[in-house]
Amino acid sequence: DQQVKQNSPSLSVQEGRISILNCDYTNSMFDYFLWYKKYPAEGPTFLISISSIKDKNEDGRFTVFLNKSAKHLSLHIVPSQPGDSAVYFCAASAKNAGNMLTFGGGTRLMVKP
Amino acid sequence: DSGVTQTPKHLITATGQRVTLRCSPRSGDLSVYWYQQSLDQGLQFLIHYYNGEERAKGNILERFSAQQFPDLHSELNLSSLELGDSALYFCASSARGQVNTEAFFGQGTRLTVV
Repeated sequence: DQQVKQNSPSLSVQEGRISILNCDYTNSMFDYFLWYKKYPAEGPTFLISISSIKDKNEDGRFTVFLNKSAKHLSLHIVPSQPGDSAVYFCAASAKNAGNMLTFGGGTRLMVKP
Repeated sequence: DSGVTQTPKHLITATGQRVTLRCSPRSGDLSVYWYQQSLDQGLQFLIHYYNGEERAKGNILERFSAQQFPDLHSELNLSSLELGDSALYFCASSARGQVNTEAFFGQGTRLTVV
């Protein structure tokens, strides 16, 4: 039973364009959502997060949108750069579950020059 | 460099054997988390320790155990290994007892069971 799903295993975009990575969740108790980026042979690196009391959080080129009614969040990268090519994991946590992170399966983003 | 150190980076062992994976958290971090990433899968939470005490358990098999020592480093012990245990094992650390934005991951240990 996957509580966090990333339905697109891969995404390819042109440099300078927008990358949109999507994530769906089923557990309504999740109250904190994070995106991690992972390069090959490295551990995941925290990118951006959003609390369930907000619907948008922006940090430079990265913006995360949360739609609680649809149990959906997305990560927008604008403009996309070749260095953004990596696997992106969506994760969620719930206070009543000890705040442990539940990860999605990841989306591999390829930004073409 | 996240500041979290995992050793060894690679490990190849036979079925039925036992291995120990080691994690040194970032200086000052009290929490250590272990995750398993199997081929083409997301990261599965295994276990969380805070300042030497077990705080939360995920889908960790009974053949697996972990501990956090007084110097805050942690070890994940995997026994009676099976082919399906082949995976990347990540350790993460954070300063507080609750997972939040400040969770930093190590580079992982790639375990191959043959």
